[in-house]
Amino acid sequence: GEDVEQSLFLSVREGDSSVINCTYTDSSSTYLYWYKQEPGAGLQLLTYIFSNMDMKQDQRLTVLLNKKDKHLSLRIADTQTGDSAIYFCAETPPSGYSTLTFGKGTMLLVSP
Amino acid sequence: EAGVTQSPTHLIKTRGQQATLRCSPISGHTSVYWYQQALGLGLQFLLWYDEGEERNRGNFPPRFSGRQFPNYSSELNVNALELEDSALYLCASSLGPGDNQPQHFGDGTRLSIL
Repeated sequence: GEDVEQSLFLSVREGDSSVINCTYTDSSSTYLYWYKQEPGAGLQLLTYIFSNMDMKQDQRLTVLLNKKDKHLSLRIADTQTGDSAIYFCAETPPSGYSTLTFGKGTMLLVSP
Repeated sequence: EAGVTQSPTHLIKTRGQQATLRCSPISGHTSVYWYQQALGLGLQFLLWYDEGEERNRGNFPPRFSGRQFPNYSSELNVNALELEDSALYLCASSLGPGDNQPQHFGDGTRLSIL
């Protein structure tokens, strides 16, 4: 089955690192994605990782994938107040149907 | 490069009416996806179109339908509107089908049913 779970809320101080966690149940997922949603806006693609990779770094963002535990994390270095948003983890199962299954989202609040 | 554009931004309807939402994909993208983001239910997949054909459908009743035009733009139609259809409807596009083609989203149409 397909189910993606995330913690609902994370609060950090500006300048600290943020780590947002995600677990998924479909071990055959091929790609895993992180999206950001600011208030009143759509989803912004942040980064994605192929399931045969362990880590991917893109500027302040680091994605870690533990396929054995079906655990995905997004680390944001030097978190800024502009990073305050809801972050969604999503997977694409290898069904060939190209659809995304999303977690419920983690609200990140960055305080000055 | 223009992103995915959706119209209208907001739409207010009453129960039983019909709503039409529109989406223009990123230039060169052939696949269009529709998702519903309802309060408390999260983001749920609705429909996927590629090259003018419906490729996949989520767990929604038949009154949710759509189409994709030759220029790859798409419409989502919702008939016999119900109160629980109130949600943000997001459109996404990708270069083509395939798990390795990331989906890029528009800002959505907020549909409110009175």
